[in-house]
Amino acid sequence: KQEVTQIPAALSVPEGENLVLNCSFTDSAIYNLQWFRQDPGKGLTSLLLIQSSQREQTSGRLNASLDKSSGRSTLYIAASQPGDSATYLCAVRSNNNDMRFGAGTRLTVKP
Amino acid sequence: KAGVTQTPRYLIKTRGQQVTLSCSPISGHRSVSWYQQTPGQGLQFLFEYFSETQRNKGNFPGRFSGRQFSNSRSEMNVSTLELGDSALYLCASSLERIPNTEAFFGQGTRLTVV
Repeated sequence: KQEVTQIPAALSVPEGENLVLNCSFTDSAIYNLQWFRQDPGKGLTSLLLIQSSQREQTSGRLNASLDKSSGRSTLYIAASQPGDSATYLCAVRSNNNDMRFGAGTRLTVKP
Repeated sequence: KAGVTQTPRYLIKTRGQQVTLSCSPISGHRSVSWYQQTPGQGLQFLFEYFSETQRNKGNFPGRFSGRQFSNSRSEMNVSTLELGDSALYLCASSLERIPNTEAFFGQGTRLTVV
């Protein structure tokens, strides 16, 4: 059974810092990995999708990498802003179409 | 292009009642999945529907059920509500199953059971 872990559970940084969020998974037989953002009480917003054959994806200030063999993904946020404050979730899609989520990293960016 | 729409946004129900939640996927998307989110358990998978058929089911009691219509809209039903069913229920749609699986979520339905 796929287990997804996100470290750290919470992170607080001053505005302007670059930061890295981590996601690890136990079964490397994945189809893809997707990073989401969730604001309090709201739904999930898709940030980046990485297929298993890809090493990284970029969107604006966000860069996500995937190392399938070691069961790891990182989300890099450059020049963080207070508007980036949210919970970030990674989700792993297995070859049977199941999608499993980590518990998330709650990010606070202080002005 | 409209996103995933969930209705209602908020619900308050009494223990023992039943509830039906609705999800309209992005136009053209045929796969709909449901998740329960609570502070203690995080996001837990309920079930997935594709072309009106349940394809996957999570580890939830039979009180939780769902269906999908020919226009891909989906409903989930919870019978005999318990206090522990209070949660944010999220629906996600994707174009299809593998390989086109990027998931897009609705805003959720906040269910409170009193």
